Amino acid sequence: GAVVSQHPSWVICKSGTSVKIECRSLDFQATTMFWYRQFPKQSLMLMATSNEGSKATYEQGVEKDKFLINHASLTLSTLTVTSAHPEDSSFYICSARDSGLAGGGLTDTQYFGPGTRLTVL
Amino acid sequence: GENVEQHPSTLSVQEGDSAVIKCTYSDSASNYFPWYKQELGKRPQLIIDIRSNVGEKKDQRIAVTLNKTAKHFSLHITETQPEDSAVYFCAATGGYQKVTFGTGTKLQVIP
Repeated sequence: GAVVSQHPSWVICKSGTSVKIECRSLDFQATTMFWYRQFPKQSLMLMATSNEGSKATYEQGVEKDKFLINHASLTLSTLTVTSAHPEDSSFYICSARDSGLAGGGLTDTQYFGPGTRLTVL
Repeated sequence: GENVEQHPSTLSVQEGDSAVIKCTYSDSASNYFPWYKQELGKRPQLIIDIRSNVGEKKDQRIAVTLNKTAKHFSLHITETQPEDSAVYFCAATGGYQKVTFGTGTKLQVIP
């Protein structure tokens, strides 16, 4: 099946620094990738939709200047948490949509990366 | 936008029994409903999905049903095993649109 990688798997940083997280689709092209945030024992919260070659679409309440998203190629999207603070500590997961044809219909399966656990001290 | 509700939030069953998780959605335009299993500290894994032109789909011990009229869909796991213990998320999407996840169900299978 489709594989999505994410790097780094975990990162610890000091308050005020910036952290970049990479999301790659390894064996398929993804025009659209999604970035989620997940707090312990909670569901996945969509932060933004990353579109290759265009600006990301942010969900309500997500600061676009704080969470910078770049989708420069069909296999790579990056999320940069700028001026990180302890409240930004969370599990960040990306997903890539594999749009293909199956049984005559259009599938819209999303495949998730392994996640990045960010801890801001 | 889409709103997905999921019940129950926690579910404990004896090994070998069946487990049922139910979800409702609000947007009648949604036409694709995947289910994900997430083990502690790991990524969500797609376990089964269903499209709006199908009422039921089965894959070994897992089945999903969809009632478009009532905007309900459910996950059924039969002959549960300890390795089925995880958090399960339902989701709904309208094709190229974003996926909206349910709040999750923590399933515990007691040996």
